Amino acid sequence: GAVVSQHPSRVICKSGTSVKIECRSLDFQATTMFWYRQFPKKSLMLMATSNEGSKATYEQGVEKDKFLINHASLTLSTLTVTSAHPEDSSFYICSARGGSGGQETQYFGPGTRLLVL
Amino acid sequence: GDSVTQMEGPVTLSEEAFLTINCTYTATGYPSLFWYVQYPGEGLQLLLKATKADDKGSNKGFEATYRKETTSFHLEKGSVQVSDSAVYFCALKAGSYQLTFGKGTKLSVIP
Repeated sequence: GAVVSQHPSRVICKSGTSVKIECRSLDFQATTMFWYRQFPKKSLMLMATSNEGSKATYEQGVEKDKFLINHASLTLSTLTVTSAHPEDSSFYICSARGGSGGQETQYFGPGTRLLVL
Repeated sequence: GDSVTQMEGPVTLSEEAFLTINCTYTATGYPSLFWYVQYPGEGLQLLLKATKADDKGSNKGFEATYRKETTSFHLEKGSVQVSDSAVYFCALKAGSYQLTFGKGTKLSVIP
């Protein structure tokens, strides 16, 4: 089946630094990618939806200047957490939608664990 | 707004036991319903889905029936295996392309 990869799988950074997370669709072209955040014992929270070549659409309450999303190609989207703080520590999951003609399927990456010290 | 409520885990079962993970939803219109599974170290994978009332989704021995009258989509398996140990997410999609997830239920199956 389709595969979505994320890199890195785990990152630890100091407060105030920026962290970039990559999401790639390995064997299909994804016109739409999604970024989710998951807190312990909480459901996945959609942060933003990005379409290739256009600006991301952020969900209410998500700071667009803090969570920069770039969807530069049909196989790559990046999430940059700028000036990270301990409260940004979380599990970030990307998802890519492939297929066409009403048969689109959403595929998920394995997630990136971010710890901000 | 749309929401999904699923039973809290963790759930621990012995091999070959019967599994039920409850899921109820609130949504406008007629949503499609999904169960996703996340094995350790991997991304979420679609396990099964149902797109209209009374549909039954099934895969790998798991089943779930779309019950409109009770707004439920409970996941069942007659005989679980150790390899079924994972986190299971119930989700819905109503109208828009966005999935709304439950909190996930961790299942551990012991030999």
